[in-house]
Amino acid sequence: GAVVSQHPSWVICKSGTSVKIECRSLDFQATTMFWYRQFPKQSLMLMATSNEGSKATYEQGVEKDKFLINHASLTLSTLTVTSAHPEDSSFYICSARIAGANPDTQYFGPGTRLTVL
Amino acid sequence: AQKITQTQPGMFVQEKEAVTLDCTYDTSDQSYGLFWYKQPSSGEMIFLIYQGSYDEQNATEGRYSLNFQKARKSANLVISASQLGDSAMYFCAMREVPLAAGNKLTFGGGTRVLVKP
Repeated sequence: GAVVSQHPSWVICKSGTSVKIECRSLDFQATTMFWYRQFPKQSLMLMATSNEGSKATYEQGVEKDKFLINHASLTLSTLTVTSAHPEDSSFYICSARIAGANPDTQYFGPGTRLTVL
Repeated sequence: AQKITQTQPGMFVQEKEAVTLDCTYDTSDQSYGLFWYKQPSSGEMIFLIYQGSYDEQNATEGRYSLNFQKARKSANLVISASQLGDSAMYFCAMREVPLAAGNKLTFGGGTRVLVKP
């Protein structure tokens, strides 16, 4: 149980294009999903918290107009990197929280590696 | 503000031996949760073990145990009988419990473990 998937697992795009990454909870309903960014050899940095049916909460320094997050259902959240540039190249990883679970744990997807040329 | 410190950037361990990964944290909250995650080279984050701040006993999960010393604000992970498959990055994380904090996780910088045959 508690499986989270991400699609695509990797993507290469040209500078200026937009890329959408999907995060799905496969066997549970996730009231909250989180989006992280990880640069090589570094830790995970939280970008935003996504709650179903409401606007995402972005961390300080994260451009909400550049990283669009939509959490349309209890099993799907999407992150769209708009007008991507080479500095957006990174490993993007989502997690989903099972509301009311004990312990209250985040389960992570396998990540999406984005390379912007 | 919270802070998670993992002072060991990398370490070697001999197969079948035990290894202790250090984690110290800083919080003014009385209620919090501590997590350890494993990240293999493939990138996914695998939940290993959880310790609640009010849990009186140290958490254990198979070969993983958490040495929780609340007064010292440390939550070290012990992996017993190391296996080659334990080679990975290990992250310590803390969750803010107050609802206003949104159940966010703050991660330490990670420790890379390499198990030698």
